[in-house]
Amino acid sequence: AQSVAQPEDQVNVAEGNPLTVKCTYSVSGNPYLFWYVQYPNRGLQFLLKYITGDNLVKGSYGFEAEFNKSQTSFHLKKPSALVSDSALYFCAVRDSGAGSYQLTFGKGTKLSVIP
Amino acid sequence: GAGVSQSPSNKVTEKGKDVELRCDPISGHTALYWYRQSLGQGLEFLIYFQGNSAPDKSGLPSDRFSAERTGGSVSTLTIQRTQQEDSAVYLCASSSRPPNSNQPQHFGDGTRLSIL
Repeated sequence: AQSVAQPEDQVNVAEGNPLTVKCTYSVSGNPYLFWYVQYPNRGLQFLLKYITGDNLVKGSYGFEAEFNKSQTSFHLKKPSALVSDSALYFCAVRDSGAGSYQLTFGKGTKLSVIP
Repeated sequence: GAGVSQSPSNKVTEKGKDVELRCDPISGHTALYWYRQSLGQGLEFLIYFQGNSAPDKSGLPSDRFSAERTGGSVSTLTIQRTQQEDSAVYLCASSSRPPNSNQPQHFGDGTRLSIL
């Protein structure tokens, strides 16, 4: 079985400060990891993914995430937060094994960037 | 843009009625997923279609829920005899590659279903 934990329901950060949204995962094999963002009354929008290779993955809108195998984490980061980054963020994992297709999502973290 | 299109965007209906939710995936995408998002919860997998293969219905919460995908494109999720606990946002997603690929899923804006 695979699972994702986002330990913080809400993260508040001041505009211009760095932000981190935490994610830990559990899979039996090697993970494919994804971050999505959801704005109000919209679907989920893909931000970035880790498949293999460099542990630091860069994505859309200046976001990046660091894969840490020993800690089974994939935290989302951004050096300088914008008010427009305020949204709901979801981490998701899938086992990379053949025949595996189900994505398991975390419960989401609400990010509020304070002007 | 040719994204995933869902209709209606909002649906309000009385308890006990049947509802149909529609999803039009990105052209050429062979994989299609339905999820349910309840307030304060993550995404709950409902059903998965891949090409002409038999769908994975393992996430459907009860036999009141069914889905079909005609011609490998448009999909309809049907909920019969709706209950208040069915109130949620129903999201559809599609992706471009075979099931165990690393391609991301592309989501529609969802249908917000409210059962009175």
